[in-house]
Amino acid sequence: EIVMTQSPATLSVSPGERATLSCRASQSVSSNLAWYQQKPGQAPRLLIYGASTRATGIPARFSGSGSGTEFTLTISSLQSEDFAVYYCQQYNNWPLYTFGQGTKLEIK
Amino acid sequence: QVQLQESGPGLVKPSQTLSLTCTVSGGSISSGSYYWSWIRQPAGKGLEWIGRIYTSGSTNYNPSLKSRVTISVDTSKNQFSLKLSSVTAADTAVYYCARDSGVILDYWGQGTLVTVSS
Repeated sequence: EIVMTQSPATLSVSPGERATLSCRASQSVSSNLAWYQQKPGQAPRLLIYGASTRATGIPARFSGSGSGTEFTLTISSLQSEDFAVYYCQQYNNWPLYTFGQGTKLEIK
Repeated sequence: QVQLQESGPGLVKPSQTLSLTCTVSGGSISSGSYYWSWIRQPAGKGLEWIGRIYTSGSTNYNPSLKSRVTISVDTSKNQFSLKLSSVTAADTAVYYCARDSGVILDYWGQGTLVTVSS
């Protein structure tokens, strides 16, 4: 099983600043990585797939990068609605999906 | 716009079988090349993919749960279902259903909390 490790567990950033979240895979997943955003009491929402392709309706301030084992989700200028928990998910090891443990993005 | 809604008992006794149904609206469950997945999330914890089904009936399961999981589909009702047997307190979680492109989970239900307790 491919283990996904996210860091940091909690990230404190001020509104308007840039946030950088990391996800590491225990073995290469090529570019087969997605990012999801989850707000309290809500289901996850797809943000990024293919490591860098934004899903429909996702603002341009969200960007993804990386390949192989190291990935980054960047939010260029944090808005109040962006404070949430973010999960990465690999789909290279099909048919099994595995998620990271999440990074909580909180207001500084 | 595809919408999914989970339903089923919110309380299950230990050793019994958890049964949930996901009703899909806004489109046919059989249209397009989509799978239909179940995912769960214990309180305050991360996401765990449970398994998926294609409308042909073919299934994939998480090896960690495979011996206890059955996912089925009823295309006439536009529904798919999850059964998890021999539950323990560790199976207490919010259970989500989602549309699965085989790559990503692009539409999710709102989730339903299932508590395992006597």
